[in-house]
Parts: sequence; structure tokens; C-alpha cells
Amino acid sequence: GAVVSQHPSWVICKSGTSVKIECRSLDFQATTMFWYRQFPKQSLMLMATSNEGSKATYEQGVEKDKFLINHASLTLSTLTVTSAHPEDSSFYICSARVGYNSPLHFGNGTRLTVT
Amino acid sequence: KQEVTQIPAALSVPEGENLVLNCSFTDSAIYNLQWFRQDPGKGLTSLLLIQSSQREQTSGRLNASLDKSSGRSTLYIAASQPGDSATYLCAGTGLNSGNTPLVFGKGTRLSVIA
Repeated sequence: GAVVSQHPSWVICKSGTSVKIECRSLDFQATTMFWYRQFPKQSLMLMATSNEGSKATYEQGVEKDKFLINHASLTLSTLTVTSAHPEDSSFYICSARVGYNSPLHFGNGTRLTVT
Repeated sequence: KQEVTQIPAALSVPEGENLVLNCSFTDSAIYNLQWFRQDPGKGLTSLLLIQSSQREQTSGRLNASLDKSSGRSTLYIAASQPGDSATYLCAGTGLNSGNTPLVFGKGTRLSVIA
């Protein structure tokens, strides 16, 4: 089955530093990847849609200069949280699919804690 | 804007029971619908995908159906087991969505007691 690998699974960083999260589709080419954020006991909130070779589309209220997304290839998308603050602490999950009529496959998420 | 409601928010059942989880959309024009399972602190595992031309999907003890006229979906779990304990999320895309992402409900937290 389709596998999405997300790395790291958890990270602790100091306030003001930047953190990069990688999302890879291991056995398929993902034309589109999505980045979600999840707070405790809440549902997934879409942050941005990333299409290979083009700029990401950000949801309203998500700062594109703070959450940098790069989708350089059909198998890799990265999310960089720049100048992280404690309020950025959350569970970040990426997902990928081949096409819009295909199932969405998720990574195992990254638990970010900013101290 | 599409919103997804899942009922109940939490459910606790004894092992062996059959159960139904419900999902409804404010916009009934749904293109694809997908059910996921999430274990604590983990990502999502896709369970079933109902594509645009379909109304139902089955996998093992799981059966999902979609009524597009009402914008409602149900996930039926037969003969529940303790290993089924998790949060179940439904998500859908709207009509003519092209490549738009899924909109998620808040989930139903299921506990199956041995």
C-alpha cells in the first residue's frame, strides 16, 4: 500500500529557531501534498496545499512567511516553521495523494514543542 | 464553507457489539468521502474511500455508505474488538473540487471494552 513517511516524529526546539519537517511518498508519486495541524482533541485543520513545482496555496489565517512549504519533487514536500514560538507547538501531519479521485494517505505526524 | 459533524463524539461499547458512527456535511454536494482511523499521537490510517461514482465500500468488518442527497455517511463496524479502539474521522471533498483537500470532522472516540 501507499506509504507516506514523515520526519522527524517529534522535535523540541527553542523559541526563535526554525524547524524543518519532511514528508515523503515512498512508493508513489504525489502530485499534491497537504499539510495539516492538529491541536489536542481537535480535528485536523488544513494549513496549505502543495503542488509539485508550484507555490503552495495557504489557508486563510496561515502565515506563508512563517510556515514555508517547498514541494521540489513528486515525492518530497517540506514544511519549515520559522522563528518558532510556544504557540506553534502542535501536531503537524502531512498527507499525499496521486490524484483527486485517489485516497489520501497520511504520515505519522510530527509533534513540535517550542520551549 | 463545508463543515463536517460527527456523532457521537465518544462511544464506549463492550467487545462483540456492532456499532454505527455517523458523519454529516453542511454541503451535501460531496465528491469523495474517506474514513480514517487515528490512534493517540499518531497519524491517520485510511480505512475506506467512497469515490464520486460509488455509494458504499466494504473492507473486512467495516462498511461505509454515503447518501449524497442528504450529505450523510455512516461507518458500520461489525463484531467490535478492543483493537478497534481509536478515533474515527470522516472527511470529504466537495463537487467540482478538482484538487481541493479533504475537510475533516472532529472524530468519534471509540472504546471497545474487553
